[in-house]
Amino acid sequence: SQQGEEDPQALSIQEGENATMNCSYKTSINNLQWYRQNSGRGLVHLILIRSNEREKHSGRLRVTLDTSKKSSSLLITASRAADTASYFCADHSGGYQKVTFGTGTKLQVIP
Amino acid sequence: EAGVAQSPRYKIIEKRQSVAFWCNPISGHATLYWYQQILGQGPKLLIQFQNNGVVDDSQLPKDRFSAERLKGVDSTLKIQPAKLEDSAVYLCASTQQGRGNIQYFGAGTRLSVL
Repeated sequence: SQQGEEDPQALSIQEGENATMNCSYKTSINNLQWYRQNSGRGLVHLILIRSNEREKHSGRLRVTLDTSKKSSSLLITASRAADTASYFCADHSGGYQKVTFGTGTKLQVIP
Repeated sequence: EAGVAQSPRYKIIEKRQSVAFWCNPISGHATLYWYQQILGQGPKLLIQFQNNGVVDDSQLPKDRFSAERLKGVDSTLKIQPAKLEDSAVYLCASTQQGRGNIQYFGAGTRLSVL
């Protein structure tokens, strides 16, 4: 399988805490993206980081990228119950806009 | 703008039956993807279209799955005959050229094969 891996597979935290999830991928990338999926719904794009960037912020989200280790992390600060969802990284590689999704981290934020 | 439309939302069939899913991407999005997402896993690409041509179908089980995108707009994915292991959510996504390949997803079709 070409899928990357994410860890942890599941994470349970209290509201207000920070959540960190990690992603490893297998190929050279153009960019890496993070998506959120609420139960029973489609995926929603959160943030994109290009291969020449090392860190990016968007609201309460912070993404880092280490291309030498083929890894990325997503930090959600001051979590809220509404952040409860599954989070997937997706690496974009090649010339035909191919995107490969990771295995996902299931986050539960307890009010 | 309208999002990616998929139908039906749910489908229950018996093994060996056939089923078809429909997707209408966001207007102007040239690239369309079909993914299979098994419970607890990430989406797995089945087929990728650029306009009405196939770019990647390396993971499509071609003995039972087929897909087409006529006129480069909407698309159908068919399974014939279905197996128990085809039970999954089938997601359609589309992307706009030059946007870093950010994918816009439909709500998906949940297929149960009994």
